[in-house]
Amino acid sequence: QQQVKQSPQSLIVQKGGIPIINCAYENTAFDYFPWYQQFPGKGPALLIAIRPDVSEKKEGRFTISFNKSAKQFSLHIMDSQPGDSATYFCAASKNAGNMLTFGGGTRLMVKP
Amino acid sequence: NAGVTQTPKFRILKIGQSMTLQCAQDMNHNYMYWYRQDPGMGLKLIYYSVGAGITDKGEVPNGYNVSRSTTEDFPLRLELAAPSQTSVYFCASSNPHSNQPQHFGDGTRLSIL
Repeated sequence: QQQVKQSPQSLIVQKGGIPIINCAYENTAFDYFPWYQQFPGKGPALLIAIRPDVSEKKEGRFTISFNKSAKQFSLHIMDSQPGDSATYFCAASKNAGNMLTFGGGTRLMVKP
Repeated sequence: NAGVTQTPKFRILKIGQSMTLQCAQDMNHNYMYWYRQDPGMGLKLIYYSVGAGITDKGEVPNGYNVSRSTTEDFPLRLELAAPSQTSVYFCASSNPHSNQPQHFGDGTRLSIL
């Protein structure tokens, strides 16, 4: 199975809150797990990525948590800002440059 | 760095017309992809290519054709436009041999009336 399941479909938080977006995968051959951020009218842009040899990766206010045994990973946005309002996609692949299997996306709104 | 460039940015077609969506990348990536994204929905893979002269179908290839004569260019052809093909089309490229992940263009918004 190649699916990547993402939840929730939409999320509203207040400024300063910590939105959490979850993804689950089935293919144990996946070894690269990126998150993409998409603003209206733009293409998805790589935000942060993790490999299964670590359980957490932080870049600025964005953190990926990875649970290999559960085959799940999640994105946390610390101190969220209205400018973080966007659609977020998780994805998975066998190594970084190969074809990605995308989750269905989460529309995040951060209210001022 | 231009990255992935898509043209045109917007287009309106009449039913039955044909057109080619252009995609070019300057990162020397050997893998290229075409996706469509319907309003409020995720990305669906139409076609992909692992190198010049090699293309393969994705999840939703019907009504589309592609060619890959050079590393840089990967045009997507609509032969007989249908209203169901109204969507935003994204091109992307990547390089697994150097672990370079997918980079996307900014899309072509296509309306078929």
